Amino acid sequence: NAGVTQTPKFRVLKTGQSMTLLCAQDMNHEYMYWYRQDPGMGLRLIHYSVGEGTTAKGEVPDGYNVSRLKKQNFLLGLESAAPSQTSVYFCASSDQLTNEKLFFGSGTQLSVL
Amino acid sequence: AQTVTQSQPEMSVQEAETVTLSCTYDTSESDYYLFWYKQPPSRQMILVIRQEAYKQQNATENRFSVNFQKAAKSFSLKISDSQLGDAAMYFCAYRSYAGGTSYGKLTFGQGTILTVHP
Repeated sequence: NAGVTQTPKFRVLKTGQSMTLLCAQDMNHEYMYWYRQDPGMGLRLIHYSVGEGTTAKGEVPDGYNVSRLKKQNFLLGLESAAPSQTSVYFCASSDQLTNEKLFFGSGTQLSVL
Repeated sequence: AQTVTQSQPEMSVQEAETVTLSCTYDTSESDYYLFWYKQPPSRQMILVIRQEAYKQQNATENRFSVNFQKAAKSFSLKISDSQLGDAAMYFCAYRSYAGGTSYGKLTFGQGTILTVHP
């Protein structure tokens, strides 16, 4: 059972480039989330989704867009990458039955030069 | 908005000894959940323990236990009989209850790096 899979695991971008991070879960979870982790700041919620076709802003949404076209996938897009978006990005999922437990992916290390 | 503070950037412990990691939080809510997550060098986030605010009894999971002081807004993690595999970054996290609609929107502390010496 794969759980939550993030691709890619590492990526280097130049300022102004765009990219999409893919999160896929095979647990049929309703809820999915994107967090970013920065040194000394813990994890912060970027965007989340409570079901297919829905998205909502989290704590730090600026500069990011998301889509949830299929229940199992949650995409995080950077339209014009900035050095401030250098971070480790985590996807997570949960549902009403496991709502107190988030299932995390293994993270994506993104560097913007 | 809720805030979570971990005032110990780093802690160390000898193998087989006990260590306590501190966490305080600020909230005006009465119903919420608190969590401790472990992040080893592999980066994987692992749930260690969780506490419901309405429960007065402190949660325990094998060698891991918490000291939940609701009035003081304190939520410390005690690791007994520390093992080399316990070495990791530990995060304290808060989630509103909000009638069950807060989903998995967690507020994390800054993290504490735990080193275990053999």
